[in-house]
Amino acid sequence: AQKITQTQPGMFVQEKEAVTLDCTYDTSDPSYGLFWYKQPSSGEMIFLIYQGSYDQQNATEGRYSLNFQKARKSANLVISASQLGDSAMYFCAMRESYAGGTSYGKLTFGQGTILTVHP
Amino acid sequence: EAQVTQNPRYLITVTGKKLTVTCSQNMNHEYMSWYRQDPGLGLRQIYYSMNVEVTDKGDVPEGYKVSRKEKRNFPLILESPSPNQTSLYFCASSSGRGLGYEQYFGPGTRLTVT
Repeated sequence: AQKITQTQPGMFVQEKEAVTLDCTYDTSDPSYGLFWYKQPSSGEMIFLIYQGSYDQQNATEGRYSLNFQKARKSANLVISASQLGDSAMYFCAMRESYAGGTSYGKLTFGQGTILTVHP
Repeated sequence: EAQVTQNPRYLITVTGKKLTVTCSQNMNHEYMSWYRQDPGLGLRQIYYSMNVEVTDKGDVPEGYKVSRKEKRNFPLILESPSPNQTSLYFCASSSGRGLGYEQYFGPGTRLTVT
């Protein structure tokens, strides 16, 4: 079973509008962390935001916020006031505290969502 | 500047010709790993290392080797590359394995095997 699922292969948004990128995850580990990364066309991976499974508040970093719904196992990324520079691939990733005893510390990634911001 | 560097950034090679992709970090990080990125699959971990001389397999280790003789370097070795290893490769490092430790990624190496 997929541990991280991003169901939106592509999303479009108008400049200055908000957009939500979906991410659902699957784990039986009570302790885990969720990350979002941005990959522009140049290819590098840029860390955006982190949410711990025991964090009481939803994480925010500038225009990025994470809508964390633990019971539904979802960790959607919300980008407010979209800018042309937000056009990129976005990856959701999870780190489990006990990844079946192997590769502790590994990030498991979703398939990614390509976001296009229109002027 | 704190960074992870990879070389080469682009490589086109032929089946069976051994190659090494170097990775170096200047942050004194203990934990390093290699990922490959393929369309529709996201990034998948190939190998990781928890410290010098300590390495282990990730999810897709077949066809790859690694070594960690120095803390800063973690080269990825393809002894006999095949076309199915055509991919975008990322090296990453972090100061710890705990949940919140950010992984710092290198710029990526785009490998084509013909």
